[in-house]
Amino acid sequence: EADIYQTPRYLVIGTGKKITLECSQTMGHDKMYWYQQDPGMELHLIHYSYGVNSTEKGDLSSESTVSRIRTEHFPLTLESARPSHTSQYLCASSDPYSLTDTQYFGPGTRLTVL
Amino acid sequence: ILNVEQSPQSLHVQEGDSTNFTCSFPSSNFYALHWYRWETAKSPEALFVMTLNGDEKKKGRISATLNTKEGYSYLYIKGSQPEDSATYLCAFHWTGNQFYFGTGTSLTVIP
Repeated sequence: EADIYQTPRYLVIGTGKKITLECSQTMGHDKMYWYQQDPGMELHLIHYSYGVNSTEKGDLSSESTVSRIRTEHFPLTLESARPSHTSQYLCASSDPYSLTDTQYFGPGTRLTVL
Repeated sequence: ILNVEQSPQSLHVQEGDSTNFTCSFPSSNFYALHWYRWETAKSPEALFVMTLNGDEKKKGRISATLNTKEGYSYLYIKGSQPEDSATYLCAFHWTGNQFYFGTGTSLTVIP
């Protein structure tokens, strides 16, 4: 069973605030990902990491930033939240040495910026 | 961004009915096709990963087939139960290493 955690699950915040969405996994996976999903739309990759000190931007442009100082932790930060950042954010991890590279997901953070 | 399409967008079936959904994806640069099941307020859960043309996978009442030459996969649920109600996502895993997701098929099984 996958062990990947996200906090908070729900966040309502005012415009201009700085927020950090937390993601942790206990599987020792090197690869981690952040996806953004708007209602009725696909999951879009916004950031990924191949390991400690590695971060890359995904196909969907995002004003968020990420860091990977420890294998198990991949937080996402928005320096100044705006209503356009309202969305669901999902974190995932995978073992790059597995044949299939299956991604395991957290439960998501639903962010609303007023 | 690669195009992955799922149909139908939503489906309501009676308990006991069998049903199927489609995932269409690019037929080039194929590495794998993943199916996920996503219940409300829970994490998406991996159902199947399929890598070879003609692959068929089965888990209980749920099965999936893969045609990489024409770029589609079918997910079948036999004898649907209320606990099968969820959104079913497919993800095209291409040789460039990223996953591209469809928008999902939302299944509601009516008791």
